Amino acid sequence: DTAVSQTPKYLVTQMGNDKSIKCEQNLGHDTMYWYKQDSKKFLKIMFSYNNKELIINETVPNRFSPKSPDKAHLNLHINSLELGDSAVYFCASSQDRDRDIFFGQGTRLTVV
Amino acid sequence: AQSVTQLGSHVSVSEGALVLLRCNYSSSVPPYLFWYVQYPNQGLQLLLKYTTGATLVKGINGFEAEFKKSETSFHLTKPSAHMSDAAEYFCAVSRRTGANNLFFGTGTRLTVIP
Repeated sequence: DTAVSQTPKYLVTQMGNDKSIKCEQNLGHDTMYWYKQDSKKFLKIMFSYNNKELIINETVPNRFSPKSPDKAHLNLHINSLELGDSAVYFCASSQDRDRDIFFGQGTRLTVV
Repeated sequence: AQSVTQLGSHVSVSEGALVLLRCNYSSSVPPYLFWYVQYPNQGLQLLLKYTTGATLVKGINGFEAEFKKSETSFHLTKPSAHMSDAAEYFCAVSRRTGANNLFFGTGTRLTVIP
């Protein structure tokens, strides 16, 4: 069973569209994250979220919003997509005490 | 503020040769330290981590890393490279307390020459 799974794996969409990426973890972790990997492979935290607190990286545009229907899911919604949003987005999770972060396989978003 | 510097965006080694990937960090207090590997079109896999205790840590696939506080370094090594080690390697740090966010270096692409 995949520990952290994301769908879709590839997403191609036009500028101005709204899209969502889904993420689920079956590890029983209490914290989930979204990371963005740009074209130069640089990875940066976007959000971290547990049932108590959402921490937003201040550099993330407010067009991006995480939605957590329950502890095992953290979906990423993106409004009014721009060309610069093209990247690979990774979902991840951890158990706060343990601090090991497990990553999903990534979603390659291409905005055309 | 925390930051991570990986020296060398590309490293090439011959199969069977020593692998050395360099990582230096900057942090007001010693952080937790990690190495992740990313194979083409894959997610990130944790190779090893240092939190406390013994400064030489062993990870998966024969990799190990040594935490050197005086040098603020956490270099990754493997005695003998294998073709399957070709991948992108990321060093990362996180705070010991508070929000558990990873701060990544810019990555080092390892090429193994047959």
